[in-house]
Amino acid sequence: EAGVTQFPSHSVIEKGQTVTLRCDPISGHDNLYWYRRVMGKEIKFLLHFVKESKQDESGMPNNRFLAERTGGTYSTLKVQPAELEDSGVYFCASSQVGHRYNEQFFGPGTRLTVL
Amino acid sequence: DQQVKQNSPSLSVQEGRISILNCDYTNSMFDYFLWYKKYPAEGPTFLISISSIKDKNEDGRFTVFLNKSAKHLSLHIVPSQPGDSAVYFCAASTSNDYKLSFGAGTTVTVRA
Repeated sequence: EAGVTQFPSHSVIEKGQTVTLRCDPISGHDNLYWYRRVMGKEIKFLLHFVKESKQDESGMPNNRFLAERTGGTYSTLKVQPAELEDSGVYFCASSQVGHRYNEQFFGPGTRLTVL
Repeated sequence: DQQVKQNSPSLSVQEGRISILNCDYTNSMFDYFLWYKKYPAEGPTFLISISSIKDKNEDGRFTVFLNKSAKHLSLHIVPSQPGDSAVYFCAASTSNDYKLSFGAGTTVTVRA
């Protein structure tokens, strides 16, 4: 069974540019999450989808971030325009629907560098 | 407003000895706690968890202890092996939602 995949693995962009990160969850996982780790600090929650619906987006930093999950399959996270403080590693995770104790499986992350 | 804290950024331990990782939390609504392990260039992988109705959970070489009154949990790895060298994250969640609150991680190095 394929795990959570993320694309690209690395992205280097200039301040003010736009970047789109993609996450493909484990097949059949209705729950999809985005997290971010900045400069070796804690991993912070960004948002949670259940299928195509945003269940919780309390962690989204500001309106420069837009997450979508059309059709309830893969998800994209767009940053527009990117700022220096957006640099970090963006992780996607997925879990089966049902109990919140269901394990969240993480992808390898996308390392974003904004210059 | 970091609610989960891992105050030791690194830990070095000799192979075969015990590794003890500590984690403190501030949110009294947390009722489920987890430890994740992360290798370089990989995502975190689930290691072990504990519900707030327990004070200990054991899985092979890994044991997690929870002290609710002190809002503290710890992970014990016995015996430590070279493959245990990784970053360990403490995480927690409340009964209201699925999101995980993580600490900043502790880098464990197991010396041969």
